[in-house]
Amino acid sequence: EVQLVESGGRVVRPGGSLRLSCEVSGFSFDDYAMSWVRQVPGKGLEWVAGINWNGDSTGYTDSVKGRFTISRDNAKNSLYLQMNGLRAEDTALYYCARGGHIVLAAEYWGQGTLVTVSS
Amino acid sequence: QSVLTQPPSASATPGQRVTISCSGSSSNIGGNTVNWYQQLPGTAPKLLIYSNNQRPSGVPDRFSGSKSGTSASLAISGLQSEDEADYYCATWDDSLNAGVFGGGTQVTVL
Repeated sequence: EVQLVESGGRVVRPGGSLRLSCEVSGFSFDDYAMSWVRQVPGKGLEWVAGINWNGDSTGYTDSVKGRFTISRDNAKNSLYLQMNGLRAEDTALYYCARGGHIVLAAEYWGQGTLVTVSS
Repeated sequence: QSVLTQPPSASATPGQRVTISCSGSSSNIGGNTVNWYQQLPGTAPKLLIYSNNQRPSGVPDRFSGSKSGTSASLAISGLQSEDEADYYCATWDDSLNAGVFGGGTQVTVL
């Protein structure tokens, strides 16, 4: 069974940092691109970042460029999102998804981890 | 403001057909495949259509997708109450070098 489990979300102050993790199981992690998608409660989906199978190709939405870094550790079946310089507008539920980099077809998603940026 | 434009809402009675449009440009829909997601309240998105018109295993054939030029559409025929959800189109944007979603369409079964 394919599973994606996000963790790391919490309340953080503006300007702070946070590292989200996504641990996967049930498939060969290094066969797939991965991505992070976020959703402000009650609002739409926003693609945040994507990474190819071996990490040498990444992409970011404009609002997080220079602040967020997506990475992966294939030996640990894990995807990460390092978030620096957090802003109130980064408050959202962050989903990890299998796929979603260059080809926006992501068949499996986690349940999300909530990031709240507030003083 | 989303790069991909969808109507905010659509509705129909049970058994009818509803169509959702997704309008983009040559840098996104015009040059890449379109995917559609269904999101029920309180749940993660579910891939409904990929590569413009392909259904993942388990998705009923009541759902169909199409693409023409810089626009795409999702059709739901034989609408059922369980189809009440938010629907999003998504594709890659070559100019932004980023993924993009439409703003979402809330489908109501009257």
